[in-house]
Amino acid sequence: GAGVSQSPSNKVTEKGKDVELRCDPISGHVSLFWYQQALGQGPEFLTYFQNEAQLDKSGLPSDRFFAERPEGSVSTLKIQRTQQEDSAVYLCASRPDRGLEKLFFGSGTQLSVL
Amino acid sequence: KNQVEQSPQSLIILEGKNCTLQCNYTVSPFSNLRWYKQDTGRGPVSLTIMTFSENTKSNGRYTATLDADTKQSSLHITASQLSDSASYICVVSGQNSGYALNFGKGTSLLVTP
Repeated sequence: GAGVSQSPSNKVTEKGKDVELRCDPISGHVSLFWYQQALGQGPEFLTYFQNEAQLDKSGLPSDRFFAERPEGSVSTLKIQRTQQEDSAVYLCASRPDRGLEKLFFGSGTQLSVL
Repeated sequence: KNQVEQSPQSLIILEGKNCTLQCNYTVSPFSNLRWYKQDTGRGPVSLTIMTFSENTKSNGRYTATLDADTKQSSLHITASQLSDSASYICVVSGQNSGYALNFGKGTSLLVTP
């Protein structure tokens, strides 16, 4: 596809379960970001990858959150022992490199923890 | 404290009317400012980018302005359409912040018939 693809688009899970969210960035994009967006709020930074290297994970809320991008393309965000406060939209974005290039966002994964 | 503040938080206008959204920032030194449009259930899409030397930038019915001295930007929407209903997010980059971006909380715009 031509854009950033995220799956699943919606995920409903029970408290305490683990979930895995997937992001397929635009081919060749070096930078990849994960954001968390609560209802009515702007995206909040979670983590940043440059190719396969996770250069910044300062935004991850707790050690239950783990992200990887092992081959520098597809990325997964894993949330262990989900809590109700984890309910949000998780957005993935990519761009060719640093600089003035705009971010290309996926449509997000709506996570609902019951 | 958030370095990017947007106002109003929400806005309702009639189809065909104009509106202006505001973005104030404290990010310094400044590199560039983008306005994104986010439709419900979708990811944000870039509308305009402005660097320090630019005062205004247009994209169809969208016109962004920047005053780097007062650290203010506005997004003006002319002759609004129902499809303009969305959240508009201001994103500011600093010169020394590398990949880091500063997001506003967005303005939710509803255009009614």
